Formats: sequence, structure tokens, C-alpha cells
Amino acid sequence: LAKTTQPISMDSYEGQEVNITCSHNNIATNDYITWYQQFPSQGPRFIIQGYKTKVTNEVASLFIPADRKSSTLSLPRVSLSDTAVYYCLVGANTGGFKTIFGAGTRLFVKA
Amino acid sequence: GAVVSQHPSRVICKSGTSVKIECRSLDFQATTMFWYRQFPKKSLMLMATSNEGSKATYEQGVEKDKFLINHASLTLSTLTVTSAHPEDSSFYICSARGSDSTDTQYFGPGTRLTVL
Repeated sequence: LAKTTQPISMDSYEGQEVNITCSHNNIATNDYITWYQQFPSQGPRFIIQGYKTKVTNEVASLFIPADRKSSTLSLPRVSLSDTAVYYCLVGANTGGFKTIFGAGTRLFVKA
Repeated sequence: GAVVSQHPSRVICKSGTSVKIECRSLDFQATTMFWYRQFPKKSLMLMATSNEGSKATYEQGVEKDKFLINHASLTLSTLTVTSAHPEDSSFYICSARGSDSTDTQYFGPGTRLTVL
């Protein structure tokens, strides 16, 4: 199981770009990197997923260096509603695999 | 995107009763479903993994006789908390995963269980 390490918390202001980095030194060849967002009393919501290099969708970008031992979630121009906990997970849909959540990063966006 | 529902969203019960929580994948077939519990301001803790048609695999420390999991079809898994006690009060979340190789999980909205 690839263990992930993220900062416990981050503060930002509305309109700023926020980058959250996750370390996963033991990532396996078949593993994908997936980020989720969770608001209080709700289930996690899928944000973005990647395997290598850069992935971008309508809400975020994901940067993955060549060695894949870390990844950075980039949220452009955050708003108050982006205040949430962000989880980085690594894994693959192979037999016996299970997902273990780390502590996540609590992002607080201020006005 | 794929949608996973949970029912009920909130339940309050008396100590000693059993509570069943349903998790459904609405627009895809879930070969694997997961059950998590989450305490306030804590991360999700995996309780068990269930594959359609087979027995669930429980994490260490999770009592399989207390938390009964049934995954009878590719779109439905149930978690039954038997003889619930106040310490079982928590936020229970399910997720479903399809058959592709990317390990993308889609989570339900969660069920808040309060045992009096």
C-alpha cells in the first residue's frame, strides 16, 4: 500500500491559486493518483486523477513529476466554497487492493 | 459522472437495535464496494471491502458479526449495524468502484448514525 503524506492544513485567500503537494514515495508501477474533496458531513467527491505528467479538467490541474513520487493538486482562483479537506490517494484496481485514506489537507479559504 | 446513493442519510436509534444502511450505484455496475466510517474531524477509516457475490473482507479490528455486509448485486451493498450501541454513532460512507483499472471510487453522501 502506497502511503501518502500531505500538509495537515493550508490557508489561502479568495482568488489565489492553491497548490497542495502529496508525497507518495512507495508508489507502484500500476498505481494511479487520485484527489478527492470532502465537505463536512458529505462523502468525498472525485476531483481529478492522473498517472504521469499533467492532467487538467474544469476544476483543477494535477502535476506529476517523472519519478511519480509526489503530485501537486492545483486549484486556480479559489473561492470560499473551496474550503474543504482534500485527500490524495494512490492505488490501482488490481486484485486485493484497498484504499487507505491519509489525514488529508484542510484548506481554509478566507475572504 | 457516476452516482452513488446511500439510504438513509440520517438515522437515530435506540441502543440494542439494528440499523441497515443501503448503498447503491445508480448508473454503473460496481464490482467492488467499500464501507468507511468517519469520526468528527478525522479521516475516513476503511471498515470492509465487499465484492459482489462473495463475503466481505473486514479490516483488522472491525467485528464482522457486528457490522454485517451484503453485496447481493452489482448495484447494491448493505451494511447492518447489529445491536447498536452509542459508541457505534458515527458517519458511515460507502463507495463503489467499477471494473476499470484506474481505482476511481465514487462515494455516497454518507449516513449519520446516532445511537441513543
